[in-house]
Amino acid sequence: DTAVSQTPKYLVTQMGNDKSIKCEQNLGHDTMYWYKQDSKKFLKIMFSYNNKELIINETVPNRFSPKSPDKAHLNLHINSLELGDSAVYFCASSRGTSGRTGELFFGEGSRLTVL
Amino acid sequence: GENVEQHPSTLSVQEGDSAVIKCTYSDSASNYFPWYKQELGKRPQLIIDIRSNVGEKKDQRIAVTLNKTAKHFSLHITETQPEDSAVYFCAALDSSYKLIFGSGTRLLVRP
Repeated sequence: DTAVSQTPKYLVTQMGNDKSIKCEQNLGHDTMYWYKQDSKKFLKIMFSYNNKELIINETVPNRFSPKSPDKAHLNLHINSLELGDSAVYFCASSRGTSGRTGELFFGEGSRLTVL
Repeated sequence: GENVEQHPSTLSVQEGDSAVIKCTYSDSASNYFPWYKQELGKRPQLIIDIRSNVGEKKDQRIAVTLNKTAKHFSLHITETQPEDSAVYFCAALDSSYKLIFGSGTRLLVRP
């Protein structure tokens, strides 16, 4: 069984479009995250939700809007896509708040390519 | 906020040799330091972690050391094998409970 699953795995789209990436975890974790990994492999946190409440919101353009309908799901919607948004987006979850109670479990990643 | 620097960015070793990756952090309140391994095209996965009340931790061929005074920590891999080839990330949990990653080290183990 996949612990953290995200869809789609690949997404190719034109500049200016709006797209969403969905994430679900079946680990019973309280906290979920979105990380962005650029072409140089930098892993940067974007958002974190704990029990559906936003707890971390890094300096991310407001074109990016996370939504957590319940603690097992965290979706990422991106409006007006730009070339610089091309990256791999990783969803992750943890039992408590970030590393306080253990590891981050990452999804397989969603590779977004903006043309 | 926390800043984590990682060196080297690439490391090539002969199979059987040891590999050492070093990280420094800036937030003296940071108290949790995990290491993640990311194989090509795969997700990052935790391989070992250390908390600030411990100076060293070992798990088979991998070990992590922490020097709180100097604010640096290192990953040591002994008897490297080709399957150790991957990108390794250090990270530090800052005082606002964000996990900040280093820039990654691409390790290549030559057979």
